[in-house]
Amino acid sequence: ETGVTQSPTHLIKTRGQQVTLRCSSQSGHNTVSWYQQALGQGPQFIFQYYREEENGRGNFPPRFSGLQFPNYSSELNVNALELDDSALYLCASSLDGNTEAFFGQGTRLTVV
Amino acid sequence: EDQVTQSPEALRLQEGESSSLNCSYTVSGLRGLFWYRQDPGKGPEFLFTLYSAGEEKEKERLKATLTKKESFLHITAPKPEDSATYLCAVQPPYLNQAGTALIFGKGTTLSVSS
Repeated sequence: ETGVTQSPTHLIKTRGQQVTLRCSSQSGHNTVSWYQQALGQGPQFIFQYYREEENGRGNFPPRFSGLQFPNYSSELNVNALELDDSALYLCASSLDGNTEAFFGQGTRLTVV
Repeated sequence: EDQVTQSPEALRLQEGESSSLNCSYTVSGLRGLFWYRQDPGKGPEFLFTLYSAGEEKEKERLKATLTKKESFLHITAPKPEDSATYLCAVQPPYLNQAGTALIFGKGTTLSVSS
């Protein structure tokens, strides 16, 4: 059984650029959630995908968007990067969203 | 506004010195309360889910309990390898359509010295 994997692990981008982060869900899981964790804070819910459709969104602007693919892997896209977007981005997968969510190791994004 | 508050923010213990971490929440219609462990620069690692007041779960030196307004994570005879940030999260029914998204607290950073 494979766990949740995220890529890349670290990334440095310039303000105004666009970035794509990737997540492979745990085997058998069909639900993927994305969270943003700023330094010293708890993770904040960005959105969730269930069977390729967005299934809820937190308080994040439209420049944060996502996709889920038929194999249940997912992407998080952020346009027009701002300095405050610097954070650890976490992906979590679960089965039908009703079981414990298992997190990947995260992608550390630094915007300069 | 629904909130999750964890206390203390930081806790230093000697090896073998038992203590408790607190998570208080204000959420209507709580579906579940989760505890995670997070090591620096890593993703959270699932520990427990609690669903109803009075429920308790144990794993090695950790025991989680739940009341209607708060949860405790009891650490018995901790070891240095228990040092980490412990996150509490609640699952309200409304954050997303399925009611499965999580609201996290800021965490308690535990340091255990030998």
